[in-house]
Amino acid sequence: DGGITQSPKYLFRKEGQNVTLSCEQNLNHDAMYWYRQDPGQGLRLIYYSQIVNDFQKGDIAEGYSVSREKKESFPLTVTSAQKNPTAFYLCASTSGAGQETQYFGPGTRLLVL
Amino acid sequence: EDKVVQSPLSLVVHEGDTVTLNCSYEVTNFRSLLWYKQEKKAPTFLFMLTSSGIEKKSGRLSSILDKKELFSILNITATQTGDSAVYLCAVEEASGTYKYIFGTGTRLKVLA
Repeated sequence: DGGITQSPKYLFRKEGQNVTLSCEQNLNHDAMYWYRQDPGQGLRLIYYSQIVNDFQKGDIAEGYSVSREKKESFPLTVTSAQKNPTAFYLCASTSGAGQETQYFGPGTRLLVL
Repeated sequence: EDKVVQSPLSLVVHEGDTVTLNCSYEVTNFRSLLWYKQEKKAPTFLFMLTSSGIEKKSGRLSSILDKKELFSILNITATQTGDSAVYLCAVEEASGTYKYIFGTGTRLKVLA
C-alpha cells in the first residue's frame, strides 16, 4: 500500500536534547512538507521541499532543521534551540504538480520531559 | 502577508441541524482551496475547489468557492455525532513553489 509513515508515534525530549522525527513516503512524490499543530490551532508550515537536495523555510523554521537526501525521506530535527517543542507534528507529500491534495502521515506527538 | 481565516472558531449543534463553516483568504497566487476533516489524528481530505461557483458535493457535505469575494463555505446537512471534528481550510499558493496555508480550523461538536 502506498502512503506516508512517521515514526515514532510519541517522542519524549529532555531539555537540551536534539531529536529527529522520521517521515518516509512510497508514493513517488517530489514534494514533502512538515507542519506543527498546537492544541486548538491549525497547521503551521515548518519546512518544505520540492525536490531532492533542496528545501525552503516555512513560517516557523527557527529551532528546526531538515534534510532531503532521498526522494522518499524528509526527516525533521527539533533542536535544543526550539524552546517550546511540545506539539503534534505532521508530515505531508504531493506529487508537486499543483492543484492536488496533500497526503498526510499519521503524525508524531512530541512531549518535553 | 498571506492568510486564511476560518469562522466560527467553534460550534455546538444538535443532531439533524445544518451547519455552515466559513473560510476567507488573502493569498497572492491562489491555486486551489481545500477542506479537510481532522479527528485527533491526521487530516482527511474532503474537497478541492479551483473554480468559482461550482459546488462540490459528497453525501451530506457540500462546498463552494467564490474567487471574487475570496471565500469558501462548507455545508453539512442533517448533522450526525460522527461529524464532530475540526474542519480545516487550506489554500494552495504558488509563488515559484507550491505550499499550503492553513486556517486555524472550526471545531464542530454535534450533540445526540
